[in-house]
Amino acid sequence: EVQLLESGGDLAQPGGSLRLSCVASGFTFRAFAMSWVRQVPGKGLQWVSSLSDSGRITYYADSVKGRFTISRDNSKNTLYLQMNTLRAEDTGLYYCAKDLLTAGSESYMDAWGKGTTVIVSS
Amino acid sequence: DIQMTQSPSTLSASVGDRVNITCRASQSISKWLAWYQEKPGKAPKLLIYDASRLQSGVPPRFSGSGSGTDFTLSISTLQPDDFATYFCQQYNSYRTFGQGTKVEIK
Repeated sequence: EVQLLESGGDLAQPGGSLRLSCVASGFTFRAFAMSWVRQVPGKGLQWVSSLSDSGRITYYADSVKGRFTISRDNSKNTLYLQMNTLRAEDTGLYYCAKDLLTAGSESYMDAWGKGTTVIVSS
Repeated sequence: DIQMTQSPSTLSASVGDRVNITCRASQSISKWLAWYQEKPGKAPKLLIYDASRLQSGVPPRFSGSGSGTDFTLSISTLQPDDFATYFCQQYNSYRTFGQGTKVEIK
């Protein structure tokens, strides 16, 4: 059974940083691209970022480009999201999700975690 | 950016009802559309991909149709476990989601 377990969500100040983690199990992690998607209160789901299976190809939503960095450690079956220069509008529930393919900005996600909550507020 | 518009935003229905949720894209996305079910405290679940293909393990009462700009998720006979929020997602150009449809008990 595919399992994705996110952690690292917290209360952060505007301008601050957080690092989210997602530990994967139940599938060959190194063979699939992975993504972060957030649920923003009142605005629904927003795709944030995706990363190829090797970790060499990254994709970002315009709203986070230059502030967030996606990465992975295939030896630890773990996906990361480094979030810098946080803004109030980054508040939300952040999901880790498994892509269908090895890479690509266009894909659906066939497995999701339960999410970790990020609150950006002073 | 491709915008996805779902309707209705809330739907009140009873167990046994047939339910239809629509999703409209701001431009053609061919068949590149997925549907998900989301419940509080649970991981979102993929139901349908490529507009009409049923994900493995999803009950056949769920079905998807459409192409181009107009798509529909149908639940043939609503079950108690189906009261949830449903999202569409396009993957023709990057990824964008509809705003969600909450299916609530009538």
